[in-house]
Amino acid sequence: DADVTQTPRNRITKTGKRIMLECSQTKGHDRMYWYRQDPGLGLQLIYYSFDVKDINKGEISDGYSVSRQAQAKFSLSLESAIPNQTALYFCATAGQGEAGELFFGEGSRLTVL
Amino acid sequence: GQNIDQPTEMTATEGAIVQINCTYQTSGFNGLFWYQQHAGEAPTFLSYNVLDGLEEKGRFSSFLSRSKGYSYLLLKELQMKDSASYLCAVMDSNYQLIWGAGTKLIIKP
Repeated sequence: DADVTQTPRNRITKTGKRIMLECSQTKGHDRMYWYRQDPGLGLQLIYYSFDVKDINKGEISDGYSVSRQAQAKFSLSLESAIPNQTALYFCATAGQGEAGELFFGEGSRLTVL
Repeated sequence: GQNIDQPTEMTATEGAIVQINCTYQTSGFNGLFWYQQHAGEAPTFLSYNVLDGLEEKGRFSSFLSRSKGYSYLLLKELQMKDSASYLCAVMDSNYQLIWGAGTKLIIKP
């Protein structure tokens, strides 16, 4: 089984719908991240969390929210999805003191019609 | 602003050597990272440089010059499985990773 698991792997939805992407990890890492990846662009950080009580906005947090339910779980929500949120979303984790060595989930491909 | 530049695409021949360059301008520097990403898959960590010089890891090496804001990833004895995108990322003064758009490497037999 993968150390960082994302669900769903693929989702097609309509404009205005609420969507939740879930991430769980078995690596025991405190740091968790949500990124989106668009063709021709670098990975863009949406939100990150260094522990259960610590949530921080990334560079593109507008239109997104997150929940850190436990050390191992970090969910990303789109309250009202719009077409330009169509992208590949990655969850990632990192150990303390190893903030640059990220372990990524397999990705969630979201299409908003 | 912060910027990471790397070529969009490169082509090389199986068995050959290829060098993928990365230049950066960031607010502070706390290390440079290279990741490999096969099509449709997640990025995986390849290397980390924080001091000037060459870090070698098997067929892959990564070089850093902080004064020039420059790094390269060197891949030797290319194999077909090396066909992937290679992502350069720099950790800035806030310990946030700034990512390049990636270089798609195509290996031809």
